[in-house]
Amino acid sequence: GAGVSQSPRYKVAKRGQDVALRCDPISGHVSLFWYQQALGQGPEFLTYFQNEAQLDKSGLPSDRFFAERPEGSVSTLKIQRTQQEDSAVYLCASSLKGLADITDTQYFGPGTRLTVL
Amino acid sequence: AQSVTQLDSQVPVFEEAPVELRCNYSSSVSVYLFWYVQYPNQGLQLLLKYLSGSTLVKGINGFEAEFNKSQTSFHLRKPSVHISDTAEYFCAVLRGAQKLVFGQGTRLTINP
Repeated sequence: GAGVSQSPRYKVAKRGQDVALRCDPISGHVSLFWYQQALGQGPEFLTYFQNEAQLDKSGLPSDRFFAERPEGSVSTLKIQRTQQEDSAVYLCASSLKGLADITDTQYFGPGTRLTVL
Repeated sequence: AQSVTQLDSQVPVFEEAPVELRCNYSSSVSVYLFWYVQYPNQGLQLLLKYLSGSTLVKGINGFEAEFNKSQTSFHLRKPSVHISDTAEYFCAVLRGAQKLVFGQGTRLTINP
């Protein structure tokens, strides 16, 4: 079946612009995660949802970052007034069982590479 | 707090040679450990995970890892690598409800 998809795959923004990154999880998956991967680093957790509820946003680096999942499926990560340090690959992942099984496999999308000039 | 250290940023090996990618974790509570692989321009794919039970975990593509509580390690091994194994490998530990904490990654390069 279809995996996690993300769009756009590449985004170039001028400093100060707002951007919106989309994630389509695997159909029926309860949990959805956002990670940020800087160049040469491992992914770092940003936030996660169980259905439409955002249960943890402790990794969001500033109030310029905002994520939503209004209907419990597609999610959007929005970054306002982008800065150069926001340049990274933004990865989305989903898992089937959510909190019912916290060790359930997270399936990752290909990521969106954001470059802020 | 749980964290993960991958001791080698790059590991070059020859094709058909064995390889070990090292991972150490720090935790004072029960741990759930994972190895993911990232091929160029792709997302992460789960290789294997340790939750409990047998300390030797077998994964996909011929990889295995051994959980060693006394040494707080979870090293990844493959007895004979192929060119197609060239990728970035990430060790991760589960923290909190569902948050994965990743190491910095090890780039495995296979030379013919």
